[in-house]
Amino acid sequence: TAGITQAPTSQILAAGRSMTLRCTQDMRHNAMYWYRQDLGLGLRLIHYSNTAGTTGKGEVPDGYSVSRANTDDFPLTLASAVPSQTSVYFCASSMGQGNTEAFFGQGTRLTVV
Amino acid sequence: QKEVEQDPGPLSVPEGAIVSLNCTYSNSAFQYFMWYRQYSRKGPELLMYTYSSGNKEDGRFTAQVDKSSKYISLFIRDSQPSDSATYLCAMTPDTNAGKSTFGDGTTLTVKP
Repeated sequence: TAGITQAPTSQILAAGRSMTLRCTQDMRHNAMYWYRQDLGLGLRLIHYSNTAGTTGKGEVPDGYSVSRANTDDFPLTLASAVPSQTSVYFCASSMGQGNTEAFFGQGTRLTVV
Repeated sequence: QKEVEQDPGPLSVPEGAIVSLNCTYSNSAFQYFMWYRQYSRKGPELLMYTYSSGNKEDGRFTAQVDKSSKYISLFIRDSQPSDSATYLCAMTPDTNAGKSTFGDGTTLTVKP
């Protein structure tokens, strides 16, 4: 079972460039999330989607955008990358309201130089 | 001040030791408490889940919640090298994983 697939696994990106981090799940989960994980700051929610066609802002949404055109895919876009966006990005999903467990992907290590 | 504070570690223990991992929190609305385990260069995986106060045991792992003190713990008995990982506490006010607030994590190394 694939679960959640993120791509790419890692990337070095020049500041000012745009990039889309891809996330696909095959569990038919309603809700999907994007987190960033930084040393000393833990996991912080960037954006979320409770169901296909809807999105919402998390704790640290600035500089990021998302879309949820269907149940399976939840891409995260950085329109103009800055060095402070260097982080490990995790996509996650859950069944939705009524379920507290989040299933995480393997992460994308992004370095903005 | 963060809503969730986790003992920073790192922790290094010999194989077979009892390990205690702890978090405190300030938001009295938290009702659901989770422990995730994250191996190096992997995503977190749910290890234990507890609702409200009390203890929950699963094999060598025991999760303990004391809402009156706003304090949660994860105990690992007979620790194994395979337990070496970062442990993240997480908590949420309702059954919505997206509302989880995570601790920063404690990195545990169990030496053979």
